[in-house]
Amino acid sequence: RKEVEQDPGPFNVPEGATVAFNCTYSNSASQSFFWYRQDCRKEPKLLMSVYSSGNEDGRFTAQLNRASQYISLLIRDSKLSDSATYLCVVNPGNQGGKLIFGQGTELSVKP
Amino acid sequence: DAGVTQSPTHLIKTRGQQVTLRCSPKSGHDTVSWYQQALGQGPQFIFQYYEEEERQRGNFPDRFSGHQFPNYSSELNVNALLLGDSALYLCASSPRGASPLHFGNGTRLTVT
Repeated sequence: RKEVEQDPGPFNVPEGATVAFNCTYSNSASQSFFWYRQDCRKEPKLLMSVYSSGNEDGRFTAQLNRASQYISLLIRDSKLSDSATYLCVVNPGNQGGKLIFGQGTELSVKP
Repeated sequence: DAGVTQSPTHLIKTRGQQVTLRCSPKSGHDTVSWYQQALGQGPQFIFQYYEEEERQRGNFPDRFSGHQFPNYSSELNVNALLLGDSALYLCASSPRGASPLHFGNGTRLTVT
C-alpha cells in the first residue's frame, strides 16, 4: 500500500464547477498535512496546510479526518487558472522535514 | 529575498556518466532536502541535510550522494547514471527541518 494515495484523475470540469480531491495516508502517527499545487513542468508550491478543525482559504477548503486517515480539498467556483496537478502531502512527523507526496491528481478546468 | 535557487535548469547526460546538481536555500533556511520527480509521479524524498550532515535518507541507492556546505548550500551527486534517473530533481529548504518546504525550480535531467 502506498503511504499517500490520491484519486487517479484527471478531472475535467467546466468553469464554475465545484471539484473535490480525496487522499488517504497509511501512517497514523503522521503529524502535518498539506496540499501543494504543481503547474506543468514547474516546482510544487504550497497551496494550504490542513488542520484537524478544517480550514478555508477563499474558494479552497481543506479537511482532515485523523480517525479515517483521510484528507480532502474542495475547490468552489473553479477558474481556468486552477488547472494544475494537486499533490496531497504528509509529514510523518518523526523524520524531520521529510515529506511524503501522493502521485497527484490533475485538474483541467475548461471554458 | 531570493527563494530556493537551483542550477543548472536542464541537463543532458549519457548512461554511465556522473552529474552534480546545485542548490542554494532560501535566506534564513539551514536545512536542504532533495527530491526526485519522475514524469507523472509525485516527488520522492532522496535525502535531507542539516549542519552539513545527511540526516534522513529515502530509498535511493548509494549512487545518490550529497553534500552541504557551511553556507547551507547543497549538492546532489549521481554516479553511474541510468536511463531511469531521468527526472525533475527538486531541492527544498526549510528552517531547522521544519515543514512545509519551499521548492526551487528544479533541474530537469535527461539521461540518454
